[in-house]
Amino acid sequence: GQNIDQPTEMTATEGAIVQINCTYQTSGFNGLFWYQQHAGEAPTFLSYNVLDGLEEKGRFSSFLSRSKGYSYLLLKELQMKDSASYLCAVRALLGAGSYQLTFGKGTKLSVIP
Amino acid sequence: DADVTQTPRNRITKTGKRIMLECSQTKGHDRMYWYRQDPGLGLRLIYYSFDVKDINKGEISDGYSVSRQAQAKFSLSLESAIPNQTALYFCATQGQDYGYTFGSGTRLTVV
Repeated sequence: GQNIDQPTEMTATEGAIVQINCTYQTSGFNGLFWYQQHAGEAPTFLSYNVLDGLEEKGRFSSFLSRSKGYSYLLLKELQMKDSASYLCAVRALLGAGSYQLTFGKGTKLSVIP
Repeated sequence: DADVTQTPRNRITKTGKRIMLECSQTKGHDRMYWYRQDPGLGLRLIYYSFDVKDINKGEISDGYSVSRQAQAKFSLSLESAIPNQTALYFCATQGQDYGYTFGSGTRLTVV
């Protein structure tokens, strides 16, 4: 099975930097995803890491350490519109070239003025 | 048009009724998924299908059934709806690239 942990809620100030951590335990690890989800809306893809290191995409960066089972999502220059839930998801190989994505419970980020 | 379309967007139904949630996609993806989302529990996998002839149970399949009518269509049925099936339901597709593409969701309330 898989176990994915991330904080339930975080609060940060507009213009600041926030780091959302995710730890996981899984067999057949094949990549880690971050999704953003505004209340009542569909999750949207933010980033993907399969190798160790940092992936940067504009104001958002994601880091992965496979040996530690650890990832973080870094949001810079926070804006009010970044208030949303951030979902960590782990892809695991099931066998025969097929794989499955399992989601953490999400971290609700509130950005305050 | 959206890549992944779910209907209906909202539905209120009575306990014991049969209801079908529909999902269609224009991305040409073989892999399709049904998730439900509950506050504090995150997204949980109900059923998934890797092609038209392939149906697999997910983490919480009890009380649900699915039909993959074509590559583009994957329907979720509740044969006899119960109140604890009240949730936000998402359909998703997966291509050969990285992530999933989600539909806009169906908010189902069972009274």
